[in-house]
Amino acid sequence: SQTIHQWPATLVQPVGSPLSLECTVEGTSNPNLYWYRQAAGRGLQLLFYSVGIGQISSEVPQNLSASRPQDRQFILSSKKLLLSDSGFYLCAWIPQGHTGELFFGEGSRLTVL
Amino acid sequence: GEDVEQSLFLSVREGDSSVINCTYTDSSSTYLYWYKQEPGAGLQLLTYIFSNMDMKQDQRLTVLLNKKDKHLSLRIADTQTGDSAIYFCAESRDDKIIFGKGTRLHILP
Repeated sequence: SQTIHQWPATLVQPVGSPLSLECTVEGTSNPNLYWYRQAAGRGLQLLFYSVGIGQISSEVPQNLSASRPQDRQFILSSKKLLLSDSGFYLCAWIPQGHTGELFFGEGSRLTVL
Repeated sequence: GEDVEQSLFLSVREGDSSVINCTYTDSSSTYLYWYKQEPGAGLQLLTYIFSNMDMKQDQRLTVLLNKKDKHLSLRIADTQTGDSAIYFCAESRDDKIIFGKGTRLHILP
């Protein structure tokens, strides 16, 4: 069966520290992968998406970056966190050629102090 | 504009029908979706509609699509306390799924 794992679930980081959130998908190959951020009162904002290894599209200019080193691995990073980076980060995937139902991970809640 | 728009709040009495509205932007969107997010949980797909359909019904849920006006609505019949959640409208746009800000549905006793 297909599953998605995302970690860590919760983290508290100081301003200026680095960030790495990881997401892996099991039971499928060549999925489309997505990073969304849900900030309080601001809905779900698409940050990055990837249609294949090494292919990253950025939706919002910011100090975050994403990488896809393997087919089923999607990483969200930052070299120096800002206070405004706080939020709930969700990884999601869609099988290639599917109707477009997004399957979400459990989410990672980031608090930057 | 570029955004998927929906109202932020809706209050409905238990047993009444809830209607959540959404306007989207891309007339070439293939699929339009409604996702539900319960408190403290992730998002789950409620239903979706293909762009060549006008209506889709699934038990208590009815989705109406007006492609000319780029308007999508979700009707929940006989609203229950368990329907209390945030409802997100979303559209497919090339390889992306773009979400609205969500409508928080509050159920009144």
